[in-house]
Amino acid sequence: AQSVTQPDIHITVSEGASLELRCNYSYGATPYLFWYVQSPGQGLQLLLKYFSGDTLVQGIKGFEAEFKRSQSSFNLRKPSVHWSDAAEYFCAVGAYDSQAGTALIFGKGTTLSVSS
Amino acid sequence: DTEVTQTPKHLVMGMTNKKSLKCEQHMGHRAMYWYKQKAKKPPELMFVYSYEKLSINESVPSRFSPECPNSSLLNLHLHALQPEDSALYLCASSQGPSGRPEAFFGQGTRLTVV
Repeated sequence: AQSVTQPDIHITVSEGASLELRCNYSYGATPYLFWYVQSPGQGLQLLLKYFSGDTLVQGIKGFEAEFKRSQSSFNLRKPSVHWSDAAEYFCAVGAYDSQAGTALIFGKGTTLSVSS
Repeated sequence: DTEVTQTPKHLVMGMTNKKSLKCEQHMGHRAMYWYKQKAKKPPELMFVYSYEKLSINESVPSRFSPECPNSSLLNLHLHALQPEDSALYLCASSQGPSGRPEAFFGQGTRLTVV
């Protein structure tokens, strides 16, 4: 069965420091992988996605992620964190169905706090 | 434009009330989704509509009744809910089975059942 693990429940990073959020997935085939961000009480915003091809993908707001098939990982990175990046981050794998399309299976999320 | 619009933003309802949540997208997407998100938890899939037909029902209680009147609209009808149904209800859309898989989410409806 497909699953997503985000090992870190809560991370605190100093403003201007680099960030890496970890994500491991379990999926039988080549996965569709996503990172979403959610501010309190808001919907989810798509940061970036991986379908195939180049394993380093660029997203919005200066985020990037690297797909490593050998490690079943899709870690999110940002070289310099801003206070506005404080939010909940969800990694997700897309489970494809020929009738329904792709439904998302989410990890439990990582809460990012940014200290000044 | 990647906007999914949900109304209302907040809803308080009694356990005997009937209410509806609405979701609209104008991206030409053919798959639409309802997710439920409890506090401090990830979203959980409830229903998937593909080409206006119900494709996935994740064993959701019958007090939640989805409806897809056309390819742009998705409703969730609520009846006889329980306090534990209080949550953020998120609507999403994607291109569907033959298109790109990324989903775009609305801002959600914060539902409180009293």
